[in-house]
Amino acid sequence: QKEVEQNSGPLSVPEGAIASLNCTYSDRVSQSFFWYRQYSGKSPELIMSIYSNGDKEDGRFTAQLNKASQYVSLLIRDSQPSDSATYLCAARFGNEKLTFGTGTRLTIIP
Amino acid sequence: DAGVIQSPRHEVTEMGQEVTLRCKPISGHNSLFWYRQTMMRGLELLIYFNNNVPIDDSGMPEDRFSAKMPNASFSTLKIQPSEPRDSAVYFCASSIQGLANYGYTFGSGTRLTVV
Repeated sequence: QKEVEQNSGPLSVPEGAIASLNCTYSDRVSQSFFWYRQYSGKSPELIMSIYSNGDKEDGRFTAQLNKASQYVSLLIRDSQPSDSATYLCAARFGNEKLTFGTGTRLTIIP
Repeated sequence: DAGVIQSPRHEVTEMGQEVTLRCKPISGHNSLFWYRQTMMRGLELLIYFNNNVPIDDSGMPEDRFSAKMPNASFSTLKIQPSEPRDSAVYFCASSIQGLANYGYTFGSGTRLTVV
């Protein structure tokens, strides 16, 4: 069974520090990976996607993909209280539907 | 673009009643997904459609649940009869089939409470 695993947290990070969220997946043929942010009481919102090995940066967010080790991570620089949310990792295995992890709850401490 | 539109936003109903949730996907998207989210079970895929055709309904919990997509711009998820354990947030999401690098866009969700 193709799986995506995340540490459920909660992960607490001081304001201004780097928050690091990690995700592992089970299938080497995974093509693409997505990070969603979900505020309490809201719907998941796509914030980053990555398809190639290496880093992809977008503002304060950096997604990192290592296909050999089967992990993908999301770094949030200069963490702000507004970054406090649950972050969902998702993988697309081949051309199939997305498989979501259970999410990591992140709290930024002022 | 208005995004994925779901209605109602909140629904409170009594056990045994029929509940219908509605979704309008983003124009041009040809894949539609229904999810249920609870604290205990997280985000669960119930069913998804490609080009209005149901592809995988293995996540539908039981026969009380049914979903339809009569056209490219409308889908319903029906629960009949509803039970308290169906209380959850139900999300609809849409995407473009065949584009591996394309993610899902979620609607705002319907919070269902069955009393």
